[in-house]
Amino acid sequence: EDQVTQSPEALRLQEGESSSLNCSYTVSGLRGLFWYRQDPGKGPEFLFTLYSAGEEKEKERLKATLTKKESFLHITAPKPEDSATYLCAVQAGDTDKLIFGTGTRLQVFP
Amino acid sequence: DAGVIQSPRHEVTEMGQEVTLRCKPISGHDYLFWYRQTMMRGLELLIYFNNNVPIDDSGMPEDRFSAKMPNASFSTLKIQPSEPRDSAVYFCASSLDSYEQYFGPGTRLTVT
Repeated sequence: EDQVTQSPEALRLQEGESSSLNCSYTVSGLRGLFWYRQDPGKGPEFLFTLYSAGEEKEKERLKATLTKKESFLHITAPKPEDSATYLCAVQAGDTDKLIFGTGTRLQVFP
Repeated sequence: DAGVIQSPRHEVTEMGQEVTLRCKPISGHDYLFWYRQTMMRGLELLIYFNNNVPIDDSGMPEDRFSAKMPNASFSTLKIQPSEPRDSAVYFCASSLDSYEQYFGPGTRLTVT
């Protein structure tokens, strides 16, 4: 069965304290791995798509990387406005459905 | 573009009542997805459409749930009869090519 596991469940950082979020997956035939950001009371906001091992993508203070078993979302010098829940999802096989992890709740304090 | 539009934003109803959630996808997007989000189970796909045709409804919990997409700009998710365990946030998302999905603001459903 396809599975996505995110860790840690929650992360508290001081402003400027860089860290990484992990998304490990077990799927047959990965088609894409996706990162979303979700703010309280809002829908998930698309951040990145990664298609193959070794691929990296960046956006402002965020950088996503992908290996054959996991993905990392690196946050460099975070700011309080980066506080949100970060969701990882995979698309695999011959289906278009996304399987989501349970998310990492990030809090950045000034 | 206005993004994905969902209505109502909040719905409170009594057990046994019919509930209809509505979604307008982003214009030009061929895929439409319905998700449910709860604290216990996270974000789960209920059903998705491609070109208005239901492709995978394996996530629909039971026969009380039904979804339709009569045209490219409108979809509904209906629950009849509703039960307290249906309380959740329901999201609609649309996509041009099934990869990058854009989510609406969600409908928070409370069934008492």
